[in-house]
Amino acid sequence: DAKTTQPPSMDCAEGRAANLPCNHSTISGNEYVYWYRQIHSQGPQYIIHGLKNNETNEMASLIITEDRKSSTLILPHATLRDTAVYYCIVKANSGYALNFGKGTSLLVTP
Amino acid sequence: GAGVSQTPSNKVTEKGKYVELRCDPISGHTALYWYRQSLGQGPEFLIYFQGTGAADDSGLPNDRFFAVRPEGSVSTLKIQRTERGDSAVYLCASSLRAGNTEAFFGQGTRLTVV
Repeated sequence: DAKTTQPPSMDCAEGRAANLPCNHSTISGNEYVYWYRQIHSQGPQYIIHGLKNNETNEMASLIITEDRKSSTLILPHATLRDTAVYYCIVKANSGYALNFGKGTSLLVTP
Repeated sequence: GAGVSQTPSNKVTEKGKYVELRCDPISGHTALYWYRQSLGQGPEFLIYFQGTGAADDSGLPNDRFFAVRPEGSVSTLKIQRTERGDSAVYLCASSLRAGNTEAFFGQGTRLTVV
């Protein structure tokens, strides 16, 4: 699976949009981009995934560049409960193991 | 229950002892995974079950670690002759099937070897 690069930490004011970037320049054509988050002392939680089209669900939006070498997870109105470590993971459709890396620690401040 | 359940939530054991960690996946989920998370790190893959069989155990660190899933639902991770370096949070996850589906994680078992 392709490797991803994320900033180690980010801050965001409550109520503002949180934009979390991820680079995956070696992504292959059959690999999806997944996002999970992990709130302190809890197990990881699935957020969203996509192949090449932008995706949106009740939690977030995923914007993937046309060349698929990078993506951005958008939390449109961040709340204090969104403070967590966010992991960007690239995985083939036929794969099963998630390679978490170190993720981005997002701190949402009042 | 509705989610993945792991027991115990915390386990303290002495170096050299044997421990078992249990995972109850979501009913109907055929795929089950074990991960290990050390402090400040992301979870690391240990083993993947499809049904009753271990389809990939390449992440198990050594032969002191073993996992079973005899009836295709509950899984047990077994660690023999525990070492202080085994101290970590052990996470279990399940998914409807392997591949392009989301994995649901339990809260983990925090293992401390003293």
